[in-house]
Amino acid sequence: DQQVKQNSPSLSVQEGRISILNCDYTNSMFDYFLWYKKYPAEGPTFLISISSIKDKNEDGRFTVFLNKSAKHLSLHIVPSQPGDSAVYFCAAQGIFGNEKLTFGTGTRLTIIP
Amino acid sequence: DTAVSQTPKYLVTQMGNDKSIKCEQNLGHDTMYWYKQDSKKFLKIMFSYNNKELIINETVPNRFSPKSPDKAHLNLHINSLELGDSAVYFCASSQSNRNTEAFFGQGTRLTVV
Repeated sequence: DQQVKQNSPSLSVQEGRISILNCDYTNSMFDYFLWYKKYPAEGPTFLISISSIKDKNEDGRFTVFLNKSAKHLSLHIVPSQPGDSAVYFCAAQGIFGNEKLTFGTGTRLTIIP
Repeated sequence: DTAVSQTPKYLVTQMGNDKSIKCEQNLGHDTMYWYKQDSKKFLKIMFSYNNKELIINETVPNRFSPKSPDKAHLNLHINSLELGDSAVYFCASSQSNRNTEAFFGQGTRLTVV
């Protein structure tokens, strides 16, 4: 049962344009959401997060939007740069009494120079 | 200075063998995890330890036995390896405050032949 879903396995975007990565979740007990970036042969690295009490969090070129009613979040990268080419994982953390992360299956983002 | 380091990075072994993967973190975190990324790139938690105590065991076969000698180390021992154990295993750590990100190691690619 996939509780966190990233329905686009891949996305190609022109350099300088906006990249929008989407994520949907089903478990209403999730209250904290994170985006991780992963390069080949490396571990995931934390990018940005958002608490369920917010609907937007911004950090430089990266902005995460949360729509709780739709159980949907998105990551916006603007402007996109070649170094942004990577696999992006959405993850969720719930009020379960532990800190485990439930991950989506990832979206491979390719920035075209 | 690597925050979460795991060894070895690559491991090729025959079916039926026993192998261990080591993990160390120097972030002063009190919680450590093992995640498995299978052939479909699905990243899923296996175990979590908080202050050397097991707090999550996600229906992992008994052949997998984590050991935490201290807060900075969480090793994974696997007995009687099977072909289906081939995957990339990631160690991670975090501080047990709510709403905090986990830091990941570079991963260990295990291939069982």
